[in-house]
Amino acid sequence: EPEVTQTPSHQVTQMGQEVILRCVPISNHLYFYWYRQILGQKVEFLVSFYNNEISEKSEIFDDQFSVERPDGSNFTLKIRSTKLEDSAMYFCASSDSGRADSNQPQHFGDGTRLSIL
Amino acid sequence: DAKTTQPPSMDCAEGRAANLPCNHSTISGNEYVYWYRQIHSQGPQYIIHGLKNNETNEMASLIITEDRKSSTLILPHATLRDTAVYYCIVRAWNTGNQFYFGTGTSLTVIP
Repeated sequence: EPEVTQTPSHQVTQMGQEVILRCVPISNHLYFYWYRQILGQKVEFLVSFYNNEISEKSEIFDDQFSVERPDGSNFTLKIRSTKLEDSAMYFCASSDSGRADSNQPQHFGDGTRLSIL
Repeated sequence: DAKTTQPPSMDCAEGRAANLPCNHSTISGNEYVYWYRQIHSQGPQYIIHGLKNNETNEMASLIITEDRKSSTLILPHATLRDTAVYYCIVRAWNTGNQFYFGTGTSLTVIP
């Protein structure tokens, strides 16, 4: 069964450094998402992406964050200058459709654990 | 935020059916109910979704009441590997296409 893959599984970075988290969505999916989960807290939406542009973003997704689909298979999340509070699990997801009145589910990867020192 | 209410925790004996309830009394006519689970900080795993009819797949069954104000996820023969946090999510069409995850139900399957 096709799945969303994320690399690395664990990233340790010094505060203030840039970090790039990588995701390979399911191959025929067109809509891509990033979520995060701080330890012990809820899964929170960050951003959705379609047709090479952001379609929706949350308040968390500020100017320090950016997303990119650099080629036909990868989808990346960049944090420009990491802060201690960016420490979390980051999950990538993809779906056949991002329309809210579409019923297609999102399929999640197993996440990247980001630890900021 | 998510417009669903779930019990915070439940236990189920191994081999028995696990019935996880969800209340979504303000659901709109074109909103689907989705169920996901998360095993020990892995990524959320899609289980099943439905609009108004009952649904069944290889993982579970979804029973939606006629008024659509509540639903039940049924794991017919729970195993230890079904121990997880289960999320009931209503897709909010007017707030974009993201899923809002609540705190879910922590299901413990007991040997």
